[in-house]
Amino acid sequence: KAGVTQTPRYLIKTRGQQVTLSCSPISGHRSVSWYQQTPGQGLQFLFEYFSETQRNKGNFPGRFSGRQFSNSRSEMNVSTLELGDSALYLCASSLAGRQGAGEQYFGPGTRLTVT
Amino acid sequence: KQEVTQIPAALSVPEGENLVLNCSFTDSAIYNLQWFRQDPGKGLTSLLLIQSSQREQTSGRLNASLDKSSGRSTLYIAASQPGDSATYLCAVLNQAGTALIFGKGTTLSVSS
Repeated sequence: KAGVTQTPRYLIKTRGQQVTLSCSPISGHRSVSWYQQTPGQGLQFLFEYFSETQRNKGNFPGRFSGRQFSNSRSEMNVSTLELGDSALYLCASSLAGRQGAGEQYFGPGTRLTVT
Repeated sequence: KQEVTQIPAALSVPEGENLVLNCSFTDSAIYNLQWFRQDPGKGLTSLLLIQSSQREQTSGRLNASLDKSSGRSTLYIAASQPGDSATYLCAVLNQAGTALIFGKGTTLSVSS
């Protein structure tokens, strides 16, 4: 069974631009979560989607948004990029039910560099 | 607000040693606890998942315990090997089951 895939793997953008990252979960997994990893803050939760609905959102500005499609694939978008948005963005999927998520499986991440 | 702390931040041991990594959390109302391994520049690999009703889980040379009442978990690694060198992350899933809260990790170096 294929794991969680994320595209692109690496991205370089300029301040003020916007970016869209994509995540394909493990087949059959309906929950997709996004996390930001930086050396200073560690891993921080961005948002979680289940059946195309955002169930939870972390403490990030509105420039960070996401969505989930009917096939469970998810995208996250960051608008008006800032230098501090440089990070490894990780996507996780799980075989979640409506009551919550099970074991989380992570993708390889997208390394975003903002210059 | 849930906070997860991992001690120590870094650990160096010779090959063959048994070792314990510690994780503590401030709110015992968790859905489950998961231990991950992360190699430099890579994603996270799930090592062990402990449901909130369980006390421990084992996989090969790894054993993880959970004491919800005291807000603690430990990851025991037996007979460490150089290939175990990585950062180990502890994360608790919030009670709603929708968000993982991570510790900052313990970076392990095993020398041959």
